[in-house]
Amino acid sequence: IAGITQAPTSQILAAGRRMTLRCTQDMRHNAMYWYRQDLGLGLRLIHYSNTAGTTGKGEVPDGYSVSRANTDDFPLTLASAVPSQTSVYFCASKPSGSSLSEQYFGPGTRLTVT
Amino acid sequence: AQKITQTQPGMFVQEKEAVTLDCTYDTSDQSYGLFWYKQPSSGEMIFLIYQGSYDEQNATEGRYSLNFQKARKSANLVISASQLGDSAMYFCAMREEKTSYDKVIFGPGTSLSVIP
Repeated sequence: IAGITQAPTSQILAAGRRMTLRCTQDMRHNAMYWYRQDLGLGLRLIHYSNTAGTTGKGEVPDGYSVSRANTDDFPLTLASAVPSQTSVYFCASKPSGSSLSEQYFGPGTRLTVT
Repeated sequence: AQKITQTQPGMFVQEKEAVTLDCTYDTSDQSYGLFWYKQPSSGEMIFLIYQGSYDEQNATEGRYSLNFQKARKSANLVISASQLGDSAMYFCAMREEKTSYDKVIFGPGTSLSVIP
């Protein structure tokens, strides 16, 4: 069982370019999340999805979009990357309806926008 | 607004000693959950322990325990018998219960270094 996989592991991207970060989970979790991690700020939620076909905005959604066509995949797209989007991006998932359950995290994608 | 404070940017502890990592939170909700995650240098986020706001007993998981003081709004992590592998970043997090999604707020983290 792989859990959550993210691709790429790391990427250097020129400003203005479009980029999609991939996230796939095999745990059949309904809820999925994208966070960005910046030094001194912890993790901040970008977008979430409670179930396939639905998405919502988190704390820092500007410049990012997501889709949830099926249960397993939750890609994050940067339409036109800017240097302030340099960060480590984590995808997470959680079974719905379980308030006691923790979120399960992927290994992260380190993105540098130049 | 809900907020998590971790006042110790960096901590050192001698191997085999116990260490307490501080976490205070701010919420007006009565029902919430508190988490601690560990992030080693390899980067992955590892769940350690959970405490519900209505739990009367402090949560424990092996060498990890959560010192929950509800009136003080603190949820300190205690690691007993520190090991070299405990060197990592540690994040305190809080879940709001009354939201349309699983809203988890993370603190800025504490870097723990275990000295041989």
